[in-house]
Amino acid sequence: NAGVTQTPKFQVLKTGQSMTLQCAQDMNHEYMSWYRQDPGMGLRLIHYSVGAGITDQGEVPNGYNVSRSTTEDFPLRLLSAAPSQTSVYFCASSRTSTRELFFGEGSRLTVL
Amino acid sequence: DAKTTQPNSMESNEEEPVHLPCNHSTISGTDYIHWYRQLPSQGPEYVIHGLTSNVNNRMASLAIAEDRKSSTLILHRATLRDAAVYYCIRNSGGGADGLTFGKGTHLIIQP
Repeated sequence: NAGVTQTPKFQVLKTGQSMTLQCAQDMNHEYMSWYRQDPGMGLRLIHYSVGAGITDQGEVPNGYNVSRSTTEDFPLRLLSAAPSQTSVYFCASSRTSTRELFFGEGSRLTVL
Repeated sequence: DAKTTQPNSMESNEEEPVHLPCNHSTISGTDYIHWYRQLPSQGPEYVIHGLTSNVNNRMASLAIAEDRKSSTLILHRATLRDAAVYYCIRNSGGGADGLTFGKGTHLIIQP
């Protein structure tokens, strides 16, 4: 049982480059979300989705895009990377928005 | 807007019980209380959640005050592997406010 899988685990970008962080879950969960965690801080919600075809913004959505074409996948796109986006990114899923979240192992992104 | 308030850090001894407090004085009647923990360099891990009644599972117990304005996560017998940051979260189940993580409590376990 793979749970929530994030790729890549590590990535270094130059300012202005674009990239996509991948997130996949095999638990048939409807709710998926992306968080970022900066050093010494809690997690901040970037975007979330309550089901395929439905996405919405969280607390810190600027500079990021998401889509949810299937139940399993919820990719996070950085359109033009900035040093302020250097962070650890976590993808999470749950059966519904009130049930327990299952997190991936994280993707550590450095923007130079 | 701090939805929950937790101490920044707590220290306990191995094999002793640990009580981690959380205040959520503005909680609404339909908000669930969730607890997660995060070990170094890992993603958060679900611990327990509840609505009104106290809850027990293999990892911990959750004691919820009668007025629901506070709760306590209880680790019955702490081990060194319980050293982590513990997050108490109000889950309203609605949109962007569904799960907001604060800075949590850094639990230190002394051998």
